[in-house]
Amino acid sequence: KQEVTQIPAALSVPEGENLVLNCSFTDSAIYNLQWFRQDPGKGLTSLLLIQSSQREQTSGRLNASLDKSSGRSTLYIAASQPGDSATYLCAVMDSSYKLIFGSGTRLLVRP
Amino acid sequence: DTEVTQTPKHLVMGMTNKKSLKCEQHMGHRAMYWYKQKAKKPPELMFVYSYEKLSINESVPSRFSPECPNSSLLNLHLHALQPEDSALYLCASSQRLLAGGPGNEQFFGPGTRLTVL
Repeated sequence: KQEVTQIPAALSVPEGENLVLNCSFTDSAIYNLQWFRQDPGKGLTSLLLIQSSQREQTSGRLNASLDKSSGRSTLYIAASQPGDSATYLCAVMDSSYKLIFGSGTRLLVRP
Repeated sequence: DTEVTQTPKHLVMGMTNKKSLKCEQHMGHRAMYWYKQKAKKPPELMFVYSYEKLSINESVPSRFSPECPNSSLLNLHLHALQPEDSALYLCASSQRLLAGGPGNEQFFGPGTRLTVL
């Protein structure tokens, strides 16, 4: 059974810092990995999608990498801003087309 | 139009009520999903529709009844719910259910906050 783990569970950084969020999964048979952002009480906003054949994707200040063989992904946020404060969720699509989520990392960027 | 909309935003219902949640997208997506999210937990998949046919049912109790009347609409009919069913219900869509490619990217709506008294 696919399990997705995110470390750390919570992170507090001063504004301007570069940071890395980690995601690991137990079964490398995935179709893709998707990173989401969720603000309190809101829906999910898709940030980046990495196909199983890809190594990384970039969008603005965000860069996500995927190492399928080791079951790991990282989300790099450059020059963090208070507006980046949210919960970040990673999710993998398994071989039965189901999206399996990690428990998320709660990020606080302090002004 | 690149968004998924959900109505209502909030819903309070008693255990004997019947209500429905609605989800709509006009991106031409042919896969639509219902997720349930409890407080401080990740979303959990409930149902998946592909080309208006139910493809995945994650052993959800029959008091939840999904319906996909056309390619743009997804409903979730609720009946005889329990207080533990209180949660944020999220709808999502993607181009297709695919083995690979960007068409698998899922786009989520803002959710319906459901409270069962």
